[in-house]
Amino acid sequence: DIQLTQSPSSLSASVGDRVTITCRASQSISSSLNWYQQKPGTAPHLLIFGASSFQSGVPSRFSGSGSGTDFTLTISSLQPEDFATFFCQQTYSAPWTFGQGTKVEIK
Amino acid sequence: QVQLVQSGAEVKKPGASVKVSCKASGYTFTKYGITWVRQAPGQGLEWMGWITIYNGNTRYAEKVQGRVTMTTDTSTSTAYMELRSLTSDDTAVYYCARESGGNPDSWGQGTLVTVSS
Repeated sequence: DIQLTQSPSSLSASVGDRVTITCRASQSISSSLNWYQQKPGTAPHLLIFGASSFQSGVPSRFSGSGSGTDFTLTISSLQPEDFATFFCQQTYSAPWTFGQGTKVEIK
Repeated sequence: QVQLVQSGAEVKKPGASVKVSCKASGYTFTKYGITWVRQAPGQGLEWMGWITIYNGNTRYAEKVQGRVTMTTDTSTSTAYMELRSLTSDDTAVYYCARESGGNPDSWGQGTLVTVSS
């Protein structure tokens, strides 16, 4: 199975900060990587697919980059509604696996 | 708009089975797949498998292979996930999601399954 390692596991940031979350795969997954946001008690919400493509309706402050084994999710200017847990997921090969999550908290 | 509405919470005893439903609306059901993902309390996300609706093909995660069956009813645009021989490790929120080309883009609200004696 392909392992995904996210870093950091958690971070504290202020509104307006630039936030970067990384996801590293145990082997090359080309660009088959998705990013999700999950708020407590709700389902995950797809933000980015194919490493860098925006899901419809996602604010432009979210962006994704990377290919191969190293990927990044960037929030250019953190907003109050962005505080949540973020997960990466690879869909390169079954079983599709997820990173362990990065919790973004208010500083 | 695209909606996936799942069945309600379930409480089951160890060894029992559970069948979760996921009713889709707002799109052509047969043009997409359905992926199932679960999340144990306070834990991360675990992919369970998918079903391709137009031909019924399935792929299951090894961890649940042999205990899980994913099916669909195209007449009602409903997907089902049945999990058998439940243990406490199966206690989780179960999600269905519409999937196309590896992108689960719309998710159900989740169904809590509690396994307890």
